[in-house]
Amino acid sequence: DSGVTQTPKHLITATGQRVTLRCSPRSGDLSVYWYQQSLDQGLQFLIQYYNGEERAKGNILERFSAQQFPDLHSELNLSSLELGDSALYFCASSGGIFTGELFFGEGSRLTVL
Amino acid sequence: GQQLNQSPQSMFIQEGEDVSMNCTSSSIFNTWLWYKQDPGEGPVLLIALYKAGELTSNGRLTAQFGITRKDSFLNISASIPSDVGIYFCAGPFTSNAGGTSYGKLTFGQGTILTVHP
Repeated sequence: DSGVTQTPKHLITATGQRVTLRCSPRSGDLSVYWYQQSLDQGLQFLIQYYNGEERAKGNILERFSAQQFPDLHSELNLSSLELGDSALYFCASSGGIFTGELFFGEGSRLTVL
Repeated sequence: GQQLNQSPQSMFIQEGEDVSMNCTSSSIFNTWLWYKQDPGEGPVLLIALYKAGELTSNGRLTAQFGITRKDSFLNISASIPSDVGIYFCAGPFTSNAGGTSYGKLTFGQGTILTVHP
């Protein structure tokens, strides 16, 4: 158990819809990262938040947005969903200084039909 | 952008065999990391390497940080069925300026390991 909690574990929705994925980091971790894992793209970095502020951005689509709340939990919002958005979405957390050691949750599997 | 090329893409081995996989980059990294993803789980850090030429072991796993800082290797000795999973190399792009920290961890495409009993 990494200590990172993600909900929901599975989500099935239709094209054009909007969903919200939720992540609670390990106790005391200030940084939250979102990754997308699809079969053909591997693990792709989306975005990082540190203590409520956006810190680094990857290949995140404009239809996607994220935020980190004062209690440090984070949400990833995916809108105008397309079939190609079907993937595993992972949240990870880490402590203060970034060393590369991330603690990943079990992921949220999104299926867009 | 930074890309990590990991090989082989998949391996099918017998229990007890040794395994080798590697990762190369067009960019220099100051840190190399190896993660393992079990089926249905998120990746877990296996080994972190922080110095060029460094050789680090974690049980039956041994990893090396290439001298050029553009490659890394992971070896698994005497494989067992629970070694099954996807192994990823990863390299970070970081900034630790001003007391805060951000980092993008770039992952290789992964090596899928299957171990036959």
